[in-house]
Amino acid sequence: QVQLVESGGGLVEAGGSLRLSCEASGFIFNTQYMTWIRQAPGRGLESLSYISGNSDYINYADSVRGRFTISRDNSKNSLYLQMNNLRAEDTAVYYCTRDPRLTDYWGQGTLVTVSS
Amino acid sequence: DVVMTQSPLSLPVTLGQPASISCRSSQTLVYDDGHIYVNWLHQRPGQSPRRLIYKVSNRDSGVPDRFSGSGSGTDFTLKISRVEAEDVGVYYCMQGTHWPFTFGPGTKVDIK
Repeated sequence: QVQLVESGGGLVEAGGSLRLSCEASGFIFNTQYMTWIRQAPGRGLESLSYISGNSDYINYADSVRGRFTISRDNSKNSLYLQMNNLRAEDTAVYYCTRDPRLTDYWGQGTLVTVSS
Repeated sequence: DVVMTQSPLSLPVTLGQPASISCRSSQTLVYDDGHIYVNWLHQRPGQSPRRLIYKVSNRDSGVPDRFSGSGSGTDFTLKISRVEAEDVGVYYCMQGTHWPFTFGPGTKVDIK
């Protein structure tokens, strides 16, 4: 069965950095687009970035472009989100999901808290 | 960005009775491949969202047939034919046609 397990969240000061990871299993990872979505209290769900199976196609939401970098290591069945210059408004639960258009599987999420 | 609006935002329901949630998009959502990427998600308290319906009307495996999705153009609907206790939570519509993909604000369903 498909499983997505996020890790790497925590408490960080504004201006700091974090790297989130998502380990995937139960499907052929290198054939699938993957995406990061976050859920902040009072701000709902927000698609942040997606990456194609071979990393050829990458896109970002304006809110994180230039600060966040999505990447993947298909040899490790893992997806990453490098988050730099974090702001208080980046505080949220971050989910990795399979297939950005269809969001058919979601991880359990990892909480990022940015203190100002 | 495409704005997804939902109504109502709060929906108290009686067990065994039907329920309906409306979702409207600010643009039409037909993608280049001819499909309309509108999904419906359900989130219970303390859990991650789970997809129920994809591409407007396709029910996911394991989703009870009391759930159905419909719509076209910019108007979409999720219907529950007979609400059960396990259906409480927040329901989101989502569009996966125009980047950035966007979500509705959510409709909170609880039991009267």
